[in-house]
Amino acid sequence: ETGVTQTPRHLVMGMTNKKSLKCEQHLGHNAMYWYKQSAKKPLELMFVYNFKEQTENNSVPSRFSPECPNSSHLFLHLHTLQPEDSALYLCASSQQWGLAQGVDTQYFGPGTRLTVL
Amino acid sequence: ILNVEQSPQSLHVQEGDSTNFTCSFPSSNFYALHWYRWETAKSPEALFVMTLNGDEKKKGRISATLNTKEGYSYLYIKGSQPEDSATYLCACYYNTDKLIFGTGTRLQVFP
Repeated sequence: ETGVTQTPRHLVMGMTNKKSLKCEQHLGHNAMYWYKQSAKKPLELMFVYNFKEQTENNSVPSRFSPECPNSSHLFLHLHTLQPEDSALYLCASSQQWGLAQGVDTQYFGPGTRLTVL
Repeated sequence: ILNVEQSPQSLHVQEGDSTNFTCSFPSSNFYALHWYRWETAKSPEALFVMTLNGDEKKKGRISATLNTKEGYSYLYIKGSQPEDSATYLCACYYNTDKLIFGTGTRLQVFP
């Protein structure tokens, strides 16, 4: 497998459920990202991990809990979500966060389409 | 608040037509601009990274220019083909250490 993969591709969950999104990158990168895209809004950064350490939390509610056990894997644990959390969640990776003032290309997965009922 | 704007929101062209669209961004503390191509149900794919004023990049029939002083970039597609149909995203990097994305231009090319 190459690139960035995400599972599941689609997820429907109730507000009381607990679920997890998984991301895996096969590019040897050191930085991984979670983005959220709500309808008709731009991609919005949620979390950044650089060398397995969380470096950014973009004011995300605590019902979203990221985990990065190693540089290749990233999880987003979800619990007691709200219907307004329904969105496309994209994972990305890059060589290193903050590298070379923005020229580091981010490689994206295909996303998980989340629906909260 | 940094705001990256793309226009138009959507575009329909005939196969063979050439087309272009715009990304506008604040020029203060600007470091880099990224263009991505995003087909439905697939991953966004990086097209170009541009940093210098006057930069021009080309990849096949797609090219891009950058004006950092006035804060805009143009993406051009020459001789559009149906497989060019996608959403084209622009994202800018500032000293905030994160990419700020626009909402994209959705291109549909009809045979």
